[in-house]
Amino acid sequence: KNEVEQSPQNLTAQEGEFITINCSYSVGISALHWLQQHPGGGIVSLFMLSSGKKKHGRLIATINIQEKHSSLHITASHPRDSAVYICVPFGNEKLTFGTGTRLTIIP
Amino acid sequence: DTGVSQDPRHKITKRGQNVTFRCDPISEHNRLYWYRQTLGQGPEFLTYFQNEAQLEKSRLLSDRFSAERPKGSFSTLEIQRTEQGDSAMYLCASSLVVAGGYNEQFFGPGTRLTVL
Repeated sequence: KNEVEQSPQNLTAQEGEFITINCSYSVGISALHWLQQHPGGGIVSLFMLSSGKKKHGRLIATINIQEKHSSLHITASHPRDSAVYICVPFGNEKLTFGTGTRLTIIP
Repeated sequence: DTGVSQDPRHKITKRGQNVTFRCDPISEHNRLYWYRQTLGQGPEFLTYFQNEAQLEKSRLLSDRFSAERPKGSFSTLEIQRTEQGDSAMYLCASSLVVAGGYNEQFFGPGTRLTVL
């Protein structure tokens, strides 16, 4: 079993739809990153959270440490949100990356 | 721009050649990480530094790979006698680790290596 599993692996949606990406992990962690990777490879850190919920603009991230589960939500999705979203739980120095969710928003 | 920078952004080389990549972290960050990402996969940890000390190396980092951070600022990653399997995106990240804090890493744009 992979240490980090994301679902769905691929998601295509219409502009304006509400998007949810789920992440389940088996490792013990102290916090979790959500990263965004655009075509071309650049990685941007969206959130780092250790409990509860965080919101930045149209993005919302939640985490339940006891259930080892986190979700990333995008409201009013836009084509520029098209990217790979990667969940990265960490409990020590090494980040454990999932393979990500490839999101495509169609205008 | 005060983010993490990497140079070059793209490198094409022939099998057997040596290549060197550079990473400049965010200036006050004490930790620097190298990751490798192959197509369709998430990044994989290679090694990391605390200031100038290399504290951990992945088993992915064969003898042909060497990384340095001589003054605790920028870092270099050298691959000797490149092989086609070395073709990947090499990502650098930095963080400021303080007592009681979380290790939030900030990523550079990556160096894409193609070995012909």
